[in-house]
Formats: sequence, structure tokens, C-alpha cells
Amino acid sequence: NAGVTQTPKFRVLKTGQSMTLLCAQDMNHEYMYWYRQDPGMGLRLIHYSVGEGTTAKGEVPDGYNVSRLKKQNFLLGLESAAPSQTSVYFCASSYGPAAEEKLFFGSGTQLSVL
Amino acid sequence: KQEVTQIPAALSVPEGENLVLNCSFTDSAIYNLQWFRQDPGKGLTSLLLIQSSQREQTSGRLNASLDKSSGRSTLYIAASQPGDSATYLCAAPSGGTSYGKLTFGQGTILTVHP
Repeated sequence: NAGVTQTPKFRVLKTGQSMTLLCAQDMNHEYMYWYRQDPGMGLRLIHYSVGEGTTAKGEVPDGYNVSRLKKQNFLLGLESAAPSQTSVYFCASSYGPAAEEKLFFGSGTQLSVL
Repeated sequence: KQEVTQIPAALSVPEGENLVLNCSFTDSAIYNLQWFRQDPGKGLTSLLLIQSSQREQTSGRLNASLDKSSGRSTLYIAASQPGDSATYLCAAPSGGTSYGKLTFGQGTILTVHP
């Protein structure tokens, strides 16, 4: 089983460039999440989705957009990258709400913005 | 606002030792608490999910307990092995949210040396 797959694994951007991170899950999960992990800050929720066609803001949504056109995919977009967005990005999914169900994580995307 | 604290921040033990990792949370109105493992450069793997109605959950050499009244959870690792070396994170939901936003602790970095 593939589980949660993130692409790409590494990316370097220049300030002002845009990019899209792709998350795909094959577990038929309703809920999907994007987190960023930074030293000293821990994991913080950027955006989440409770089902196909839905998206909502998390703790740190500024500078990011998301889309969930298909149930299995959750895309995270950076419209104009800034150095403050240098981080490791993790996608996760769960069958039900995170308050009730286990979360399954992808292996992460290391993003550097110069 | 849920706040999650993990003590100690780092722990180094010889192989074979039994050890306890601690997690405390401020909002006790939680449905469950999850423990995760993160290996360097990897995503998080869910180890145990303890429901609020349970006091303990076991998986192999791992045992997690939950005391909502005191706002504490512990992860007990029996007969530690070098392969247990990783960062261990706990995560608690923030009460009152429909999707169950998880707040993560900063993690305990565990090193088990032969």
C-alpha cells in the first residue's frame, strides 16, 4: 500500500516564484491536512479538507492556497514564495476527524526559498 | 487554546532499559490523544491512539496511558532497542472543533545506544 504520497520530495525556489505540492492518498480517507514543521515551532496546521470539494484554513494559512478537486488528492500552492516559507511540509489524511481517528502522514517535502 | 508539552526534550539510554516519555496538555476536553514516531528525514507514524474512555493502550513493547483529569499522558517503552531511536511526539485535539485540530508537542528525541 502506498498510503500518503507527497511530490516533490525536495524543491528550491527563488523569492516570488510559485509552486504546487501534491498529496495523494489511496486509503479513501475523507479528511486531509497540510502541516509545516519548523525547528522550535513544531508542527502547525496550514489548511485542511473534510471532504472532496471542501477546504478550510488552519493555524497558519497566509501565503498558501489549497484545492481538493478529487477525494484522493490535496494540493498546496504557494503563489509568491517568501523565505519565511522555507520549511518541511507534511500532508496527512484520516478516515474521520483528527480528534477521533489516527492520522497517516506522507514522507514530507523539504522546501527552501532563497 | 490547547498547549502540549513534552518532557524530557531529549533522552539517551543504554539498550535494554525501560523508559517513560511524558506529555502534558492544558485542555482536558479531548476525545483522544495520539503518540507518533518520527525518524530523521521522514514523516510521522502513528503509534498509539488512546480514546478518552480508555486509560491505557498497548502495542507490542509500547504502552501509553492517559489521565484526562491531570492533563497527562505517558508513553512507556519496555526493553528499549537501538531501533527505537527516533523523535516521539504526542498530539492532543483542541476541544470544540468539528474536525478536531491536533496540537503537537515539540517531541522527545530518544537515543538508544548499544
